[in-house]
Order: sequence, then structure tokens, then C-alpha cells
Amino acid sequence: ETGVTQTPRHLVMGMTNKKSLKCEQHLGHNAMYWYKQSAKKPLELMFVYNFKEQTENNSVPSRFSPECPNSSHLFLHLHTLQPEDSALYLCASSRRLSGGETQYFGPGTRLLVL
Amino acid sequence: QKEVEQNSGPLSVPEGAIASLNCTYSDRVSQSFFWYRQYSGKSPELIMSIYSNGDKEDGRFTAQLNKASQYVSLLIRDSQPSDSATYLCAVISNNNDMRFGAGTRLTVKP
Repeated sequence: ETGVTQTPRHLVMGMTNKKSLKCEQHLGHNAMYWYKQSAKKPLELMFVYNFKEQTENNSVPSRFSPECPNSSHLFLHLHTLQPEDSALYLCASSRRLSGGETQYFGPGTRLLVL
Repeated sequence: QKEVEQNSGPLSVPEGAIASLNCTYSDRVSQSFFWYRQYSGKSPELIMSIYSNGDKEDGRFTAQLNKASQYVSLLIRDSQPSDSATYLCAVISNNNDMRFGAGTRLTVKP
């Protein structure tokens, strides 16, 4: 248990659906991240938030829309996804954005787009 | 060129042996280095972090960093079947982004 929780753990959705992934951290961290992990590929950084302000959007398609209402919560809103978006979506947090801080991962949401 | 490179494996070692996992990175100004372990179907969990050249030991794990040669390695002594997992190398550069290698799958055979 890393102190980072994610819901749901599994999600199956059609290409026309709208769904949201939720992440919550109980560590008092100020930076939060969304990653995508596809089979046999490196973890891909999607979004970075620092003190609830987005600092990076790593060329992510607009069908993924992040939201960070406060430093403890992070959402990823999904709409009109494609089958190739099926992957494990991981949320992580760190104490600070800079300084080589360790990132702690949540359990992930395994997404299947049909 | 990939930013962080690892042999995908699988690397297979017998129980009790030393497992050696290697990682190279392309950004010469990288300052922070991490090894994560990821069991199948689970999320990555931190094993070691290393910031200075040389060795850092923690139990059965030793991380080695050589900034001049741009590589970082992880040695696992007295390997156990429970060490079987994918090991991810991660590097933070000056832009503060953590970049991951694709991981090396390790199998420890009883």
C-alpha cells in the first residue's frame, strides 16, 4: 500500500462512452502524474500537475482530459476512446516536482476499449 | 535513440545466484536514478534510488551508477523466486520528467 489509490481498478468501455478515472493520494504530496503503460512499451508520461496546476501535457490526444481539483485528487476524463487506448493507466505522486523526488504509484486502472 | 534502454529479457537465473540488470540512458545531465519492481498485473514499486556515482546497498540489492558511462545497474544477491518480476529503470533529467525503460523481465528458477 503506497498511499495512492485509484478507482476503478478495471474498466471496459465502448468507443462512444464517457468515463472518468480517479486517483487520490494520502501522502501530502504536491505533484501528481498520469502514465500510460502498454504491453512491452515503456511507461509513457501523459500529464503532470504541480500544486494542482498542469505543468506538462506530453502530446496527449484531446480525448484524454485531466482534472486536478486539489493536490490530493487527480482525474482523467475519457471520451470517444480508440481500441489502441486500451492499457494500464497509472497515477503517481511525489513530494515535489523537482529535485529528483521519488514517485509512488497507485495500483492502476486496467482499461479495455471495445 | 531511446532515452532509457534496458534489455527486455527474459533474464533467467537459478535460485541463490546473482541477478544483474543493466540500464543505459542518453541524457548526460540526468541526476536521479531509480529501480522499480513490477509484478505481473501490479503497479511499479520502488526498490532503490541512487544519485551519486558508485554503489548503494540495501539488503540483497545493490545499485551501481556510472555517470561518465551513462549506465546504472541493479544487482540482486541470493536471488529468490519471489524476485521474479519486471524491473524498470527510471531516470530524471533536468526537466524533472521521469523517463522509464521498457523493463527487464527476471525469472528466478527454484
